[in-house]
Amino acid sequence: DAKTTQPPSMDCAEGRAANLPCNHSTISGNEYVYWYRQIHSQGPQYIIHGLKNNETNEMASLIITEDRKSSTLILPHATLRDTAVYYCIVRVGWGGSNYKLTFGKGTLLTVNP
Amino acid sequence: DSGVTQTPKHLITATGQRVTLRCSPRSGDLSVYWYQQSLDQGLQFLIQYYNGEERAKGNILERFSAQQFPDLHSELNLSSLELGDSALYFCASSVETGGGYNEQFFGPGTRLTVL
Repeated sequence: DAKTTQPPSMDCAEGRAANLPCNHSTISGNEYVYWYRQIHSQGPQYIIHGLKNNETNEMASLIITEDRKSSTLILPHATLRDTAVYYCIVRVGWGGSNYKLTFGKGTLLTVNP
Repeated sequence: DSGVTQTPKHLITATGQRVTLRCSPRSGDLSVYWYQQSLDQGLQFLIQYYNGEERAKGNILERFSAQQFPDLHSELNLSSLELGDSALYFCASSVETGGGYNEQFFGPGTRLTVL
């Protein structure tokens, strides 16, 4: 699985958009970008994933650059409950038999009142 | 609530002992993953089972073993425990239809403390 690079921490004001960047310059053609988050010591929670098109769901939006070497997770209106460690993970999306997730250190997003 | 349950929530034991952690996946999910989260190593994949069979191994010590039963629940057995085994142990489950990505649903974890 390709390696990802994320800033160790970010701050965001409550109600504002939080934009979390991720670099994955060695991503392969069949690898997806996934985002999970972990709120203090709870089990990680799936947020969103994408291959090359931008994706949006009820939690967030995912913007992937055209060359797929980086992406941005956007939380449109951050709340205090969004304070968590956010993990960007690159992993094969199909054709494999093991879909394990390889977690890096992630970005600690702190939403301030 | 992810639908994945783990017991016990907390476990305190002594070095050299053996413990069993239990995981019940979401209804219908065939695949179970075990992860370990320690302060110095972060979240690490240990082992995966699919429909009762071991599918993949990660950084799992030989002192650790796991199995998945016919009812699809899974157990992680940790033996000859050392202080360094103190960690949060998460179980995750997914459908794994093989036709593309299926998100993993994580349980609340078992916090193991080895004294």
